[in-house]
Amino acid sequence: DVKVTQSSRYLVKRTGEKVFLECVQDMDHENMFWYRQDPGLGLRLIYFSYDVKMKEKGDIPEGYSVSREKKERFSLILESASTNQTSMYLCASSLFTSGRGGQYFGPGTRLTVT
Amino acid sequence: SQQGEEDPQALSIQEGENATMNCSYKTSINNLQWYRQNSGRGLVHLILIRSNEREKHSGRLRVTLDTSKKSSSLLITASRAADTASYFCATDANSGNTPLVFGKGTRLSVIA
Repeated sequence: DVKVTQSSRYLVKRTGEKVFLECVQDMDHENMFWYRQDPGLGLRLIYFSYDVKMKEKGDIPEGYSVSREKKERFSLILESASTNQTSMYLCASSLFTSGRGGQYFGPGTRLTVT
Repeated sequence: SQQGEEDPQALSIQEGENATMNCSYKTSINNLQWYRQNSGRGLVHLILIRSNEREKHSGRLRVTLDTSKKSSSLLITASRAADTASYFCATDANSGNTPLVFGKGTRLSVIA
């Protein structure tokens, strides 16, 4: 079974802090994705990556950056956390480029910025 | 980006009843997928239906797809309390490597 793990289930950070959210998958998938999920807004794509050292902006990249130095690891970085970045963050991976065939999600990180 | 829209936003039924959720989308697609999310957890892939398929079954799940109406439905038969979750449709657009686009979900409550 595909396993996608995220570094923390719950995280509390202060405004202005630099925040790293880590995601690791064990199925050798080339494609990885970061979403945020907010009530009433569904899942919104922040960034995705089709290969090592490759990244593409999603729908809401502002205030975020990503790093993909190894195939299995995709990191989401909040350069200077703000209260409007309080959210549930979900990482996913997939075998096929567009998620065709299904995406596999991690358990999520609930981030609170105070 | 264009999102699928699930309908209804919330649904409450008794255990043993059937639950039907609908998804409408706007662009032509390669396939449409349904996911489930238990409260506070990640999404789990349930079923995928290709654009040339009209109906697909998996256990108690039945998915239909009408590409002429750009809509899909997910039917859960003989629902159980454990089916309580949010259900999302996701569309794989028929345009290169565009990522999946998720709807906002239907929140299903199954009352024992």
